[in-house]
Amino acid sequence: AQKITQTQPGMFVQEKEAVTLDCTYDTSDQSYGLFWYKQPSSGEMIFLIYQGSYDEQNATEGRYSLNFQKARKSANLVISASQLGDSAMYFCAMRGKIQGAQKLVFGQGTRLTINP
Amino acid sequence: KAGVTQTPRYLIKTRGQQVTLSCSPISGHRSVSWYQQTPGQGLQFLFEYFSETQRNKGNFPGRFSGRQFSNSRSEMNVSTLELGDSALYLCASFPYRAGYNRPNTGELFFGEGSRLTVL
Repeated sequence: AQKITQTQPGMFVQEKEAVTLDCTYDTSDQSYGLFWYKQPSSGEMIFLIYQGSYDEQNATEGRYSLNFQKARKSANLVISASQLGDSAMYFCAMRGKIQGAQKLVFGQGTRLTINP
Repeated sequence: KAGVTQTPRYLIKTRGQQVTLSCSPISGHRSVSWYQQTPGQGLQFLFEYFSETQRNKGNFPGRFSGRQFSNSRSEMNVSTLELGDSALYLCASFPYRAGYNRPNTGELFFGEGSRLTVL
């Protein structure tokens, strides 16, 4: 079975500092995708970044980068130069070919608070 | 381009009642999936629909059901509501491409959710 583990329930970071949110995963699939989503208090899940299991380079999207270590099965999210608006819940998720369904398996999330 | 629209945004029901939630995917997206989010269980997959057919279902009792219409809009229904059904129900749409076997960069686009409170 696929599983995502986020070990940090909450994190507090000073504005403008970089922050790393941890994510480890477990799967027997050879082909899978890893995602990070941000969920502000409004409830909407906002896509941040994607890493495919076959991608050799770490994904980057603006201030977001994904530190992908396949052998260790980790996919940590790095946010550079954090901003107050980054305060939210962050979810790591994985998608594999599970009966062809577009099913995401989510971690429990990390609540990030950016302090001014 | 309009995003995923979920209605209603908030609703309150009592135990034993039933509820229907609606989701309109992004135009052109034919796959719709539903997730339940609770503080205790986190985000859990409910089911996925494509071309009016349920493609997969999560581990939820039969009280949870859904359907998809020919215009790709989807509804989910929960009958005989229980207190534990209180949750944020999120709908996500995806531009599914038939025969695609490798997870691609196409992320799921989520709506803002329907927050259900069962009293």
